[in-house]
Amino acid sequence: GENVEQHPSTLSVQEGDSAVIKCTYSDSASNYFPWYKQELGKGPQLIIDIRSNVGEKKDQRIAVTLNKTAKHFSLHITETQPEDSAVYFCAALFNKFYFGSGTKLNVKP
Amino acid sequence: SAVISQKPSRDICQRGTSLTIQCQVDSQVTMMFWYRQQPGQSLTLIATANQGSEATYESGFVIDKFPISRPNLTFSTLTVSNMSPEDSSIYLCSVGEGRDYEQYFGPGTRLTVT
Repeated sequence: GENVEQHPSTLSVQEGDSAVIKCTYSDSASNYFPWYKQELGKGPQLIIDIRSNVGEKKDQRIAVTLNKTAKHFSLHITETQPEDSAVYFCAALFNKFYFGSGTKLNVKP
Repeated sequence: SAVISQKPSRDICQRGTSLTIQCQVDSQVTMMFWYRQQPGQSLTLIATANQGSEATYESGFVIDKFPISRPNLTFSTLTVSNMSPEDSSIYLCSVGEGRDYEQYFGPGTRLTVT
């Protein structure tokens, strides 16, 4: 099956700085890669996704890049704000969804 | 996307008992799933809840421990049976929508077994 590795496990940035979270996957047949934000006490929320026929996708301060050759994809958050503090999960679809281990992002005001 | 609610939002249960978690969706959906999220961990798929037939379980999860019902296209239940402290987790219902069955999650049920 698929294996998704996510780094770093924790990330602390100053408000206004950028944050980057990286994931690698093992199965080249995976073709859909979503990112989720999970705030304390809540369920994961889909924030952005990318398909294998696209290299980059942006939505305001959030962007995702995909390198199919290297089998990795990244989440970029610019101009971070305290409300961006949460746990972020990447995932890859291969028959079912395989999730990364999560990154706890702390944005310091 | 669909609006998903779960009941209860949290519970504390004694070992050996069972708890049934309900998942309600505000629109008809084809695919519904149940996940487990152990404390500080990632999400693990328990099973796909199939409407009108038996659920499809992932490796490591069995029907006797996690019976699932899906009586219609908007509702599903997950029962955690004969609970032990190792079952203390967040249980999440999700629906799959769109071309790649994009997963949308409910708020979760936080279960503590003492």
